[in-house]
Amino acid sequence: QSVLTQPPSVSGASGQTVIISCTGSHSNLARFPVHWYQQFPNSTPKLLIYSNYRRPSGVPDRFSGSKSGTSASLTISGLQSEDEADYYCHCYDDDLSGSVFGGGTKLTVL
Amino acid sequence: QVQLVQSGAEMKRSGASVRISCRTSKDVSTTLFIHWLRQVPGQGLEWMGVINSVQGSTFYSAAFQRRFTLTKDTSTNILYLELSSLTSDDTAIYYCARRDAEGFYDIWGQGTLLTVSS
Repeated sequence: QSVLTQPPSVSGASGQTVIISCTGSHSNLARFPVHWYQQFPNSTPKLLIYSNYRRPSGVPDRFSGSKSGTSASLTISGLQSEDEADYYCHCYDDDLSGSVFGGGTKLTVL
Repeated sequence: QVQLVQSGAEMKRSGASVRISCRTSKDVSTTLFIHWLRQVPGQGLEWMGVINSVQGSTFYSAAFQRRFTLTKDTSTNILYLELSSLTSDDTAIYYCARRDAEGFYDIWGQGTLLTVSS
């Protein structure tokens, strides 16, 4: 049971927009920034969005993030087949004094 | 740019112990907060704990602290995750990762697959 809640899967047609949600609580998302990672099969997670909406160098602007209260979202616009991966949200939790993650969302591009 | 290089895959029997290493590219005087995370195949990421690469101070997740220990070699830039009394539930990929001051993991080791069989 993950502390942050994500939908297990989302899908969208090539070129469309999908939104992946991440729900937390007062001890994590309400107080601390959220970060997102992209993970391809048999690969290491890669930082995709940090501090709610910032993109590391090299991440396309098709990827965007936002946060409000105890919820956060990752938006992927102009879906491409290469975006098929697992996506994880991550935050610090004050009650647990450590990092917490969502269970991951598998993106399928139709 | 820091790089983290982990030791290779391990296969162990139930009840055994294992030590997984994470070598940083920084010299021993550079403080890094290196976190360890676990990913059971097909499942999500779980945070295990953190070690200060210079002082060696540690903090563990309450969910994991019973059977694992984070240590560092005093003279090199190698950090270790030691797991004892292994069970099949410990079969997972273990990652070390550098946590930036803003809280995100920007640099990851390549992961070490631990397989525990009975």
